[in-house]
Amino acid sequence: EDQVTQSPEALRLQEGESSSLNCSYTVSGLRGLFWYRQDPGKGPEFLFTLYSAGEEKEKERLKATLTKKESFLHITAPKPEDSATYLCAVQAGGNQFYFGTGTSLTVIP
Amino acid sequence: GAGVSQSPSNKVTEKGKDVELRCDPISGHTALYWYRQSLGQGLEFLIYFQGNSAPDKSGLPSDRFSAERTGGSVSTLTIQRTQQEDSAVYLCASSLIAGVGGTQYFGPGTRLTVL
Repeated sequence: EDQVTQSPEALRLQEGESSSLNCSYTVSGLRGLFWYRQDPGKGPEFLFTLYSAGEEKEKERLKATLTKKESFLHITAPKPEDSATYLCAVQAGGNQFYFGTGTSLTVIP
Repeated sequence: GAGVSQSPSNKVTEKGKDVELRCDPISGHTALYWYRQSLGQGLEFLIYFQGNSAPDKSGLPSDRFSAERTGGSVSTLTIQRTQQEDSAVYLCASSLIAGVGGTQYFGPGTRLTVL
């Protein structure tokens, strides 16, 4: 069964304290893995797409990596404005998208 | 350019009433997706359109749910005889293509409350 699991459910960091969010997946025929940021009351905002194991992408303080079983979203020296829920999604062979339940990140000044 | 828009932003209805939710995708995007997001739950896929046709309706929870897309643009999600368990945020997304590389861009959602 296709499945996406994110951990931890919630994460509190001090400003400047780097950490990583995990997204593990089981899916047949992975076509892509996506990371989104969602602020309260808003729709998810696209961050990255990864297509194959070993691929990495960076944007400001965020870096996403992909292996055959999981993806990590590394946050370097986070700021309070990075506080949000981070969602991971995978696109399966049948063009289905499966989302995890997200990691709620709080960065404390 | 304009992003995905959805209306209304909030909808409160009574149990048993029908509701219509609207999605305006990004211009030129051929694929359109509907999701439901309940408190503490991940996004639940409902249906997607490629042009005006819906190749995959497997996510619709019951026959009270239906969706259509006209002119390859605007889509409407209709929920008939609403139930309290239908209360959720309904999100729409569009992408340039439906296949590999079809990154989805989301609208702000419609928050539906069924009393």
